[in-house]
Amino acid sequence: DAKTTQPPSMDCAEGRAANLPCNHSTISGNEYVYWYRQIHSQGPQYIIHGLKNNETNEMASLIITEDRKSSTLILPHATLRDTAVYYCIVRVAVGSNFGNEKLTFGTGTRLTIIP
Amino acid sequence: NAGVTQTPKFQVLKTGQSMTLQCAQDMNHEYMSWYRQDPGMGLRLIHYSVGAGITDQGEVPNGYNVSRSTTEDFPLRLLSAAPSQTSVYFCASSYHGSSPLHFGNGTRLTVT
Repeated sequence: DAKTTQPPSMDCAEGRAANLPCNHSTISGNEYVYWYRQIHSQGPQYIIHGLKNNETNEMASLIITEDRKSSTLILPHATLRDTAVYYCIVRVAVGSNFGNEKLTFGTGTRLTIIP
Repeated sequence: NAGVTQTPKFQVLKTGQSMTLQCAQDMNHEYMSWYRQDPGMGLRLIHYSVGAGITDQGEVPNGYNVSRSTTEDFPLRLLSAAPSQTSVYFCASSYHGSSPLHFGNGTRLTVT
């Protein structure tokens, strides 16, 4: 499995865009990049994922570099409710339905939105 | 759909006691997994399963057993609880690989 590296903490002003980086320099061609967040002690919540193209949904945008060695999660207009720990992971899918499912999370980035 | 349901929400055990943490999902997900989270740390994978009858070890499997007799349920067993197993435990499930994980709300376990 590819490992990911994230900064331990970041601050962002309320209403501004929050840009969270993730390095995955050993990512393989069939590995997806996933982002999750964990608010307080709740179970992590899925945000977005992508393979090589940039992706956008109602929560965030995901920008993946052309060499796929890093990505950035963008929360376009951060609110206080976006204060959370954000995890970037990679997940491989090989074979028919099952891949290497040993999904490991790092310690993530603690994002604090400042009023 | 109820999603991923974990029971109990809280549990206190004495050293040496055994117990089973329950996890059930009603989304017909093939993949299920257990994580533990200690204060200030990320999630560490304990065991996972890619389908009924199939289980495998994660990063920190020692002291824990699992089985997957049905698609819906993936219980985690502590045979002889130790204080080092004090943690918050999360169960997760998804469709086949490359699908988002759905997490339960966690079980907070204290071993004294």
